[in-house]
Amino acid sequence: EIVLTQSPATLSLSPGERATLSCRASQSVRSYLAWYQQKPGQAPRLLIYDASNRATGIPARFSGSGSGTDFTLTISSLEPEDFAVYYCQQRSSWPITFGQGTRLQIK
Amino acid sequence: VQLLESGGGLVQPGGSLRLSCAASGFIFSDHAMAWVRQAPGNGLEWVSTVSSTGDNTFYSDSVKGRFTISRDNSKSALYLQMNSLRAEDTALYYCAKTASNHPDYWGQGTLVTVSS
Repeated sequence: EIVLTQSPATLSLSPGERATLSCRASQSVRSYLAWYQQKPGQAPRLLIYDASNRATGIPARFSGSGSGTDFTLTISSLEPEDFAVYYCQQRSSWPITFGQGTRLQIK
Repeated sequence: VQLLESGGGLVQPGGSLRLSCAASGFIFSDHAMAWVRQAPGNGLEWVSTVSSTGDNTFYSDSVKGRFTISRDNSKSALYLQMNSLRAEDTALYYCAKTASNHPDYWGQGTLVTVSS
């Protein structure tokens, strides 16, 4: 099973700042990594698929990069609605796995 | 895209439950579908995926042998039969449409509580 480790567990930033979230895989997942955003009481929303492709309707301030074992989700300038929990997920091999999440909170 | 889960509830350990997901707004038979769960206060855990035709199924080790995923393309419906339920199966169960095994649309979930 591929283990995804996200860091930091919690990130405290202010609106307008740049956020950088990390996801590290225990073995290569090639580019088969996605990022999700989840707000309290809501279902997750797909942000980025296959490492760097924005999903439909996702603002350009969200970008993804990386391949192999190291991936990054960047939010270029935080909006108030971006404060949420973010998960990475790999589809490179079964079983599909998720990271444990990074909580992005307002400083 | 709309995904509406149903069938959750309170069940005793060792009991069974069948979850359903009604899909609309896309060509259901073109897409693999998945169940993903989230225990209270915890992260996301993939449970199972079924291929677009229903011929291929995949399970997490934690549910293999106890849960069965299936679909009825004529009804645009996804199912999860859950047997031998355990306390650790307590979670919000999401139905998800997938695109190359990335869940891209999610329902709002149905809550399963396993407790005596």
